[in-house]
Amino acid sequence: GAVVSQHPSWVICKSGTSVKIECRSLDFQATTMFWYRQFPKQSLMLMATSNEGSKATYEQGVEKDKFLINHASLTLSTLTVTSAHPEDSSFYICSTDAAGRNYNEQFFGPGTRLTVL
Amino acid sequence: SQQGEEDPQALSIQEGENATMNCSYKTSINNLQWYRQNSGRGLVHLILIRSNEREKHSGRLRVTLDTSKKSSSLLITASRAADTASYFCATAGTASKLTFGTGTRLQVTL
Repeated sequence: GAVVSQHPSWVICKSGTSVKIECRSLDFQATTMFWYRQFPKQSLMLMATSNEGSKATYEQGVEKDKFLINHASLTLSTLTVTSAHPEDSSFYICSTDAAGRNYNEQFFGPGTRLTVL
Repeated sequence: SQQGEEDPQALSIQEGENATMNCSYKTSINNLQWYRQNSGRGLVHLILIRSNEREKHSGRLRVTLDTSKKSSSLLITASRAADTASYFCATAGTASKLTFGTGTRLQVTL
């Protein structure tokens, strides 16, 4: 299957700072990437769909000015959590559907654990 | 919320036993998928069943789909300690995005 990496794997930051998370597709061109958030012992909640070369589509209730998504190339999408607060502490996971391969199957990165103090 | 429900929330079995997890969803789907997540890791795709299919097998995995009841089940036969993980169903409509269920935490003991 497709390989997706994320960096960093974990980050601790002070309240009010901004944190950037990178999601890379290593062996294919990803025109679409998805960003999820997962709280402990809960399911994944889709935050936004990132499309290469265009603006991201955010899910209802997700602040686009707080969670900035950039998908400037076919192999890299970034999520920036701006002015992070403790309630933003979560596990952030990206994925891609590797369009053209198995329809709708998504390939996930290993996730980034964000802790805001 | 469009999120599906899974039951049980947690399941503990002994190695060698079968594990069955159920998933219910609310809207029409194109396909339904099952994923596995080890603690603190990303998700791994296990199996995909299309809306016009009723049953599918992959190794020790068996998935059923009943679109009239909007439900699916995942059966893991002859479980192993290494199967310990959380399992999520996810539904796909006409768009490419997935909606995940609440998950089942499976613990397989020796």
